Amino acid sequence: GDSVTQTEGLVTLTEGLPVMLNCTYQSTYSPFLFWYVQHLNEAPKLLLKSFTDNKRPEHQGFHATLHKSSSSFHLQKSSAQLSDSALYYCALSALNNNAGAKLTFGGGTRLTVRP
Amino acid sequence: ETAVFQTPNYHVTQVGNEVSFNCKQTLGHDTMYWYKQDSKKLLKIMFSYNNKQLIVNETVPRRFSPQSSDKAHLNLRIKSVEPEDSAVYLCASSSDWGALYEQYFGPGTRLTVL
Repeated sequence: GDSVTQTEGLVTLTEGLPVMLNCTYQSTYSPFLFWYVQHLNEAPKLLLKSFTDNKRPEHQGFHATLHKSSSSFHLQKSSAQLSDSALYYCALSALNNNAGAKLTFGGGTRLTVRP
Repeated sequence: ETAVFQTPNYHVTQVGNEVSFNCKQTLGHDTMYWYKQDSKKLLKIMFSYNNKQLIVNETVPRRFSPQSSDKAHLNLRIKSVEPEDSAVYLCASSSDWGALYEQYFGPGTRLTVL
């Protein structure tokens, strides 16, 4: 079955330092990868999704590159901001026969950015 | 306003009771989902519907049953709640059920079972 692993449950950074949140996956089928962000007491929202043509998605200063050879989709940002403090989920979506597409989420990484 | 709406925001009940949660989306989407987010923030798919048809049904206890009257509404009923059902239930929708479609989430319903 499909699975997503986020190795860090909690990441604490000082404002201005680079951000890297790890995501690796396993899937029987060729999947699409996503990063969703959930701020405190809010709904999860899409941050990034992988492209089919190997372009690097970027949004709000965040970017991620899908590496099929290492089954990874790490999230990066060059300079953390206080407003980046949130829960980040890496997720995978693949069409499984007739079961339809579904999102399989990693365990989430809570990012805290300090002044 | 176009979004995913959920009611109630919170619900506290006792073991063995029946509860129902409502979800409505005004985005014109064809596909809707229910997810469970537990106390450790693990987020897992429970069900998904496309145009009122069930297309994904994960291994969830039989006491959970989704209900869809039209493609804009997807409700969740729990027949006899148990303590492990305490969680946030998130409803989501997407324009179609393909793998690449972005999912839009509602604010969630927090269930506490005493």
